[in-house]
Amino acid sequence: GAGVSQSPRYKVAKRGQDVALRCDPISGHVSLFWYQQALGQGPEFLTYFQNEAQLDKSGLPSDRFFAERPEGSVSTLKIQRTQQEDSAVYLCASSLVGPLETQYFGPGTRLLVL
Amino acid sequence: QKEVEQNSGPLSVPEGAIASLNCTYSDRGSQSFFWYRQYSGKSPELIMFIYSNGDKEDGRFTAQLNKASQYVSLLIRDSQPSDSATYLCAVIPSGGGGNKLTFGTGTQLKVEL
Repeated sequence: GAGVSQSPRYKVAKRGQDVALRCDPISGHVSLFWYQQALGQGPEFLTYFQNEAQLDKSGLPSDRFFAERPEGSVSTLKIQRTQQEDSAVYLCASSLVGPLETQYFGPGTRLLVL
Repeated sequence: QKEVEQNSGPLSVPEGAIASLNCTYSDRGSQSFFWYRQYSGKSPELIMFIYSNGDKEDGRFTAQLNKASQYVSLLIRDSQPSDSATYLCAVIPSGGGGNKLTFGTGTQLKVEL
């Protein structure tokens, strides 16, 4: 596709619900990243995939957060038992080869946990 | 100390003026530096990247890197109202952090008519 796409664009969840956020990277991009952006802050790294391998998950805030990219293209970020502090914009980015290359961001999913 | 620091602003400049946005970083071994622009409610979009000390120009934008001072800046010449946005400085740190962009909190720029 022309760019990184994410769905849904907006998600409202009740505290305790599970949510799944989808990312479609740019076609052919090997690397995929998830970031979390709280209001008024810069994006913060969550996790990184190279093809289907999750090479870095050091930014995932708790074991309630889980990401996968089983076929090396589409990725899903799952948040279990959502908490109010999970409310943020979740950004997906992809790059052609490795992490040192330019990362292109999707439009984000705005998650609100009530 | 934050890994990447920026003044949150807002920085207000008149139309046609030069806007100067500054960023400092703590990891001396960092190799790659990026400036992203983010309009309210939108995702970050890449403006420029710079790897080497000195200046890099692209149209109205100039990135400046000084690794000795751990300082990177973005100059916007002939500022336009459409340049009003938050500018995010991002760094790829050395060593084990090389998989991720580390962002500052961003500087809000307002270009006034």
